[in-house]
Amino acid sequence: EAQVTQNPRYLITVTGKKLTVTCSQNMNHEYMSWYRQDPGLGLRQIYYSMNVEVTDKGDVPEGYKVSRKEKRNFPLILESPSPNQTSLYFCASSLFSGGYEQYFGPGTRLTVT
Amino acid sequence: KNQVEQSPQSLIILEGKNCTLQCNYTVSPFSNLRWYKQDTGRGPVSLTIMTFSENTKSNGRYTATLDADTKQSSLHITASQLSDSASYICVVSAGSGGYNKLIFGAGTRLAVHP
Repeated sequence: EAQVTQNPRYLITVTGKKLTVTCSQNMNHEYMSWYRQDPGLGLRQIYYSMNVEVTDKGDVPEGYKVSRKEKRNFPLILESPSPNQTSLYFCASSLFSGGYEQYFGPGTRLTVT
Repeated sequence: KNQVEQSPQSLIILEGKNCTLQCNYTVSPFSNLRWYKQDTGRGPVSLTIMTFSENTKSNGRYTATLDADTKQSSLHITASQLSDSASYICVVSAGSGGYNKLIFGAGTRLAVHP
């Protein structure tokens, strides 16, 4: 089944404790992206990757890191999480950027206390 | 500034009724417009994608329209079902070739009551 998977789905952590949210897609997509979703706001892009080893900042990159060492995986790293990073996070992928359908993962709900 | 605005913010309708959701955008250069359905706590799922030259597209009981002159789109839901209860997100893609940036609206939360 074609899909985007994220792990973990739920995470509660404390301020400053490094964490990684994994994202994997099995559709051989070139383009991958991370978003956060907060109440009353549209999805905001954190980072994106046009292809392997190519990543770039989105609208809200502060406090986040990503890497794209292989096509299928695009982990999101929070080196020192803070309470304002409490949010619902989505990974997404598409064949390329542009007019291609974007497939979203199931989401990771992160709480930082 | 690229912007996508949706109305209403929320809507309650009775099962079996029709409804229309609105999307206005100021995005340049326009590439395409998408409607997504997002169930609570789940990832968005694509309903339609329309390019500049398309003014209507259907997906089952969902019909999207696009007026590129007035920069407006609508999503019409026919004969609503309880399972239509979700947020509906309008997304406009900006760019021409290479990287296209997606600009998301805040969504319309639809509740269908029996």
